[in-house]
Amino acid sequence: KAGVTQTPRYLIKTRGQQVTLSCSPISGHRSVSWYQQTPGQGLQFLFEYFSETQRNKGNFPGRFSGRQFSNSRSEMNVSTLELGDSALYLCASSLRGSGPTIYNEQFFGPGTRLTVL
Amino acid sequence: GQQVMQIPQYQHVQEGEDFTTYCNSSTTLSNIQWYKQRPGGHPVFLIQLVKSGEVKKQKRLTFQFGEAKKNSSLHITATQTTDVGTYFCAGPQVSSSNTGKLIFGQGTTLQVKP
Repeated sequence: KAGVTQTPRYLIKTRGQQVTLSCSPISGHRSVSWYQQTPGQGLQFLFEYFSETQRNKGNFPGRFSGRQFSNSRSEMNVSTLELGDSALYLCASSLRGSGPTIYNEQFFGPGTRLTVL
Repeated sequence: GQQVMQIPQYQHVQEGEDFTTYCNSSTTLSNIQWYKQRPGGHPVFLIQLVKSGEVKKQKRLTFQFGEAKKNSSLHITATQTTDVGTYFCAGPQVSSSNTGKLIFGQGTTLQVKP
């Protein structure tokens, strides 16, 4: 099976602009989670989508949004970019367990490196 | 909110030495996962522990889940240069709606001197 793919791999934007990142999960995986990774903050959970519904959300401002399509592909959008948004944005897909006690392993994509100037 | 803390943040070892990273949660975890991220790469799933006191081995790697299910450790015996990377633990935070999200520790970055 093909792995998780993310596009674009690298992006340079200026403050105030907006950006859309794309993630294609492993075939058959219905859950897609997004993470922001920075040297100072580590891996921070952004949100999770399952069957086109946002199931969980991290502590990020409303400028960060996402959606999932019927084919499980997901996009995340960041509006009004700030310098602090520079980070590696990772998408991860999983099969998703039937209950909260078992959280299926996450399969991460290569990430999108976003630089905000 | 729930926190997952890892120590140490960095570890430099000589090739052949052992290495251990510790993970502590502020709340009881239903399970814990470990991931490895090579420099320039993305996190890759290593293992999941579910039972209290569980110990699992993968070649030179030994993973333990504490009896109280609030801490975990990863021990690498006789490190090799291929072990270089950042090791993350992650535990689920369950919301009132009974859905979960993974909370990652800050990671321990391992450097191995040949």
